[in-house]
Amino acid sequence: EAQVTQNPRYLITVTGKKLTVTCSQNMNHEYMSWYRQDPGLGLRQIYYSMNVEVTDKGDVPEGYKVSRKEKRNFPLILESPSPNQTSLYFCASSNPTRTSGANVLTFGAGSRLTVL
Amino acid sequence: AQSVTQLGSHVSVSEGALVLLRCNYSSSVPPYLFWYVQYPNQGLQLLLKYTSAATLVKGINGFEAEFKKSETSFHLTKPSAHMSDAAEYFCAVSDRYTDKLIFGTGTRLQVFP
Repeated sequence: EAQVTQNPRYLITVTGKKLTVTCSQNMNHEYMSWYRQDPGLGLRQIYYSMNVEVTDKGDVPEGYKVSRKEKRNFPLILESPSPNQTSLYFCASSNPTRTSGANVLTFGAGSRLTVL
Repeated sequence: AQSVTQLGSHVSVSEGALVLLRCNYSSSVPPYLFWYVQYPNQGLQLLLKYTSAATLVKGINGFEAEFKKSETSFHLTKPSAHMSDAAEYFCAVSDRYTDKLIFGTGTRLQVFP
């Protein structure tokens, strides 16, 4: 089954304790992206990657890091989590096509992170 | 800069009633427009997309949306609501050059029996 898999789905941690949220896709997609979802704010892009070893900041990158060493994986790293990073995180992937131009994202199920 | 505005963070309808979720966009270039749906405890999934072909776009589960350039709108409709339509709906815009999707703040649809 074509899918984007995120782990963990739920995590409670404490301020300053480094954590990584993994994301893996099995569709050979070039484009991957991380979003955070907060009530009343919708989804905001954290980082994205156009391909292996190519990453760029989204709209809210502060406090996050990413890497793209392999095409299928795009982990999100919180080096020193803070309470304002408590949120619902989504990983998504796609193969943007220049003929249609429409970037249709496939989303993971989400990772709910609480930082105390 | 591109953006979308969803009017109404919550919409309530009775089962069988018309569903209308509003989305207005701002874009300096011809946009691509999307509606995504998020069911409880799930990720987002694509309902429909507009990519400059027909202005009336049909999606899954009986939803459709009409692109109106003069009104910069892309409202989502469904003639008859079903209980299973209760979810959060997101409008999104992307331009033809960056592939970046910009989401609205979402509209939560409640359907009452």
